[in-house]
Amino acid sequence: SQTIHQWPATLVQPVGSPLSLECTVEGTSNPNLYWYRQAAGRGLQLLFYSVGIGQISSEVPQNLSASRPQDRQFILSSKKLLLSDSGFYLCAWRFGTVSYEQYFGPGTRLTVT
Amino acid sequence: AQSVTQLGSHVSVSEGALVLLRCNYSSSVPPYLFWYVQYPNQGLQLLLKYTSAATLVKGINGFEAEFKKSETSFHLTKPSAHMSDAAEYFCAVSLMNRDDKIIFGKGTRLHILP
Repeated sequence: SQTIHQWPATLVQPVGSPLSLECTVEGTSNPNLYWYRQAAGRGLQLLFYSVGIGQISSEVPQNLSASRPQDRQFILSSKKLLLSDSGFYLCAWRFGTVSYEQYFGPGTRLTVT
Repeated sequence: AQSVTQLGSHVSVSEGALVLLRCNYSSSVPPYLFWYVQYPNQGLQLLLKYTSAATLVKGINGFEAEFKKSETSFHLTKPSAHMSDAAEYFCAVSLMNRDDKIIFGKGTRLHILP
């Protein structure tokens, strides 16, 4: 069976500090991978998605970036955090072309102070 | 363009009562539709999915949803609410392309009254 991991689970960072959130998927190969953010009361916002290693598409250009150094690893980064980056970050994956539903990780709660 | 509208950001029902969460979609092609549930500080969990087979779809935890093309609706129901059903529920539609982006509704928070 497939499993998706995210870490850390919670993070408190000062404004202007760097960020690195990691997501890994086990039990499948060549998944599509997605980063979402949930700000308080604002629903789900798609930030980045990737259909393969090194292939990243950005939905919301801002001070965040994403990378996919390995098939089942997806990293969300920032060089300098803003207060507005606070939120709940969710990673998700999908079987390449088999089905259309996405499966979500447990999330990372980021608070920028 | 595809879109999803969930009617009611908050819904309250008594324990044991019928749960009805409303979702209407807009799609230029036959859609794939989903319902997800999110408990506090957790990720989203797939409840059920419609993929153009049976119009009445059964999911986990006793939930089901009916696809009605004429009404462009995909409402979620459960005959008898349980306290453990208190959570936020998201309706979603798939763009059904290689990127497979999913468009999510804004969510409905379900409150269960004792």
